[in-house]
Amino acid sequence: QKEVEQNSGPLSVPEGAIASLNCTYSDRVSQSFFWYRQYSGKSPELIMSIYSNGDKEDGRFTAQLNKASQYVSLLIRDSQPSDSATYLCAVNKGEYGNKLVFGAGTILRVKS
Amino acid sequence: NAGVTQTPKFRILKIGQSMTLQCTQDMNHNYMYWYRQDPGMGLKLIYYSVGAGITDKGEVPNGYNVSRSTTEDFPLRLELAAPSQTSVYFCASSQGLAGITDTQYFGPGTRLTVL
Repeated sequence: QKEVEQNSGPLSVPEGAIASLNCTYSDRVSQSFFWYRQYSGKSPELIMSIYSNGDKEDGRFTAQLNKASQYVSLLIRDSQPSDSATYLCAVNKGEYGNKLVFGAGTILRVKS
Repeated sequence: NAGVTQTPKFRILKIGQSMTLQCTQDMNHNYMYWYRQDPGMGLKLIYYSVGAGITDKGEVPNGYNVSRSTTEDFPLRLELAAPSQTSVYFCASSQGLAGITDTQYFGPGTRLTVL
């Protein structure tokens, strides 16, 4: 079992719709969770971080965390073609060095 | 602030050659990291450092070496390059906050091909 799992996609949504991206993790000691956006040929860019159970909203983005189910998601409201990218879920287990474990990413395509 | 910078952007190596990938950050971050990303895959940690003079292995350290003589710089050395090291290499840094709120910021990457 992979430590961090994501559906590779591609996930296709029409412009203006809500895109829902999901991530599961295997280690219950995981403490903090990050969503990075990566455009083709570019470096990962942090979108959201979440540490506590529940929802965290930032503009069009909402991160949701359920530690009991070991599940974290990212909702993108009013999706735009510029949101088309790969979304990487990353988990910090709080170990020495604050190392991140990444999922393989979900490709999102927003069609206009 | 330039953030995290990496050089070179692209490099082609022949099998058996060596090279050093440079990484510099100007955010006075304590922690620095090297990742590699293969096509369609997530990032895998090669080495990390929690401060000058302190380095440790990540998930995939074989074939690589690092050093950290200053807070700003964290070069990655490839000895005896192999085709399996063809990848995109990202350097990242973070403040090194204790606990869970530490955030990593990434450089633009180096695309390496070994032929």
